[in-house]
Amino acid sequence: AQKVTQAQTEISVVEKEDVTLDCVYETRDTTYYLFWYKQPPSGELVFLIRRNSFDEQNEISGRYSWNFQKSTSSFNFTITASQVVDSAVYFCALRGSILTGGGNKLTFGTGTQLKVEL
Amino acid sequence: DGGITQSPKYLFRKEGQNVTLSCEQNLNHDAMYWYRQDPGQGLRLIYYSQIVNDFQKGDIAEGYSVSREKKESFPLTVTSAQKNPTAFYLCASSTRQGGTEAFFGQGTRLTVV
Repeated sequence: AQKVTQAQTEISVVEKEDVTLDCVYETRDTTYYLFWYKQPPSGELVFLIRRNSFDEQNEISGRYSWNFQKSTSSFNFTITASQVVDSAVYFCALRGSILTGGGNKLTFGTGTQLKVEL
Repeated sequence: DGGITQSPKYLFRKEGQNVTLSCEQNLNHDAMYWYRQDPGQGLRLIYYSQIVNDFQKGDIAEGYSVSREKKESFPLTVTSAQKNPTAFYLCASSTRQGGTEAFFGQGTRLTVV
C-alpha cells in the first residue's frame, strides 16, 4: 500500500521568508519516485520536482530545493525567498514502479496551502 | 500543442443521473489517471490505466466506471451509485516509466443538484 502524508494543512509566511513543506511517505516498493506539484487557483496541477528512491542527493533548482531522506521516509520541499506568486496548494506524490510491483500507481498527499503575504 | 483536454470545465447534473467526463491526451502516453479533489482532502485516485483495454481501481472507485478503448481517451462515468458526486475531477497522463511526471488537465467541476 502507498500513502503520502502532508501534516501541514496551511502555512502563512511573509514575502522573502524561506518556507519548508513537509512530506512523509509509506511504500513497500524498493524502487519508487517522489514528486512535488503546485496547484494555483486555476486548478491545474503543475509539476515542480522529482526524485528517484535510489538517488538521495539533494538538489537546488533556482528558489526550490528538496531534502530526500530515505531513512525517515521524508521528502521535504523548500522555497527560498518566497514570493506572493508562490501562493498555491502544494502536493507531494509517490509513484510505484512496475518493475517492482508498484504498478505505476500515483498517490498524492492532502496538500499544503501556502499563503505568501506582503 | 500537446496536452490533456478535459471537458467540460463545469458540469451540472440532476441527482440520479449518470454523467460522463471526457479526458483526451495527445502526448502519446500509455498511463492515464482520474482523481477526485474535495476541499481539504487532496487528490484521491479513482481509477488508473497503464495501457489500452486495461485499468485498475484506485482508492475510491465505488460509484465510478471507466473505459480505455483508445490510447488517447480515458472517459470517467459518475454513476447514480456514487453517493456524493459533487467534486472537482482531474485527469492525468504519463509515460509508463515511473520517474516521469504526470501531466494534468484543467479539471471538471461537477455539481449534482
